[in-house]
Amino acid sequence: GIQVEQSPPDLILQEGANSTLRCNFSDSVNNLQWFHQNPWGQLINLFYIPSGTKQNGRLSATTVATERYSLLYISSSQTTDSGVYFCAVDSGGSNYKLTFGKGTLLTVNP
Amino acid sequence: ETGVTQSPTHLIKTRGQQVTLRCSSQSGHNTVSWYQQALGQGPQFIFQYYREEENGRGNFPPRFSGLQFPNYSSELNVNALELDDSALYLCASSPASSKTQYFGPGTRLLVL
Repeated sequence: GIQVEQSPPDLILQEGANSTLRCNFSDSVNNLQWFHQNPWGQLINLFYIPSGTKQNGRLSATTVATERYSLLYISSSQTTDSGVYFCAVDSGGSNYKLTFGKGTLLTVNP
Repeated sequence: ETGVTQSPTHLIKTRGQQVTLRCSSQSGHNTVSWYQQALGQGPQFIFQYYREEENGRGNFPPRFSGLQFPNYSSELNVNALELDDSALYLCASSPASSKTQYFGPGTRLLVL
């Protein structure tokens, strides 16, 4: 099955700093989503981005499908950005099965 | 954003018991998927239901089973619980017109 690798596994920032999280995947995808998992376990949708670039406030994401990677940019980080960020992909077929990476644990210190 | 709800929020069971977890999909969503997330890992796909039929299954044994009801709510049943079944169980729903999955808050299951 498709493999998803996220880097870095851990990231510690000071409030106000910028960061880039990376997601590499091993096959072509029909769906790619970025999620933020809060401390209570809720997965919050950030982006649905199988290709191209999207922006939402301080967050933006770019997926280069031909090169099989996606990047999540966080600018002017805040303590509330802390948590685990997951990339998940669906390689197609009759069901929308998401395969998740292991996540990036982001800690933003005040 | 999400109208997906799950119950209960937490559950403690003993090895060998059976458990039923419930999910209410977001309005207008006809596809529901279940995922298991062990501590420190990403979620793993268990299975998916579309219009009350199983529509794909991950690498989980048959003691993991599910149902989807006409109102698109769903159940995950786990028989003969094992210690390794301790995890966060997440339900996600998708509308017919989109592949985007929206997740509920999860049920934390502890098997002693």
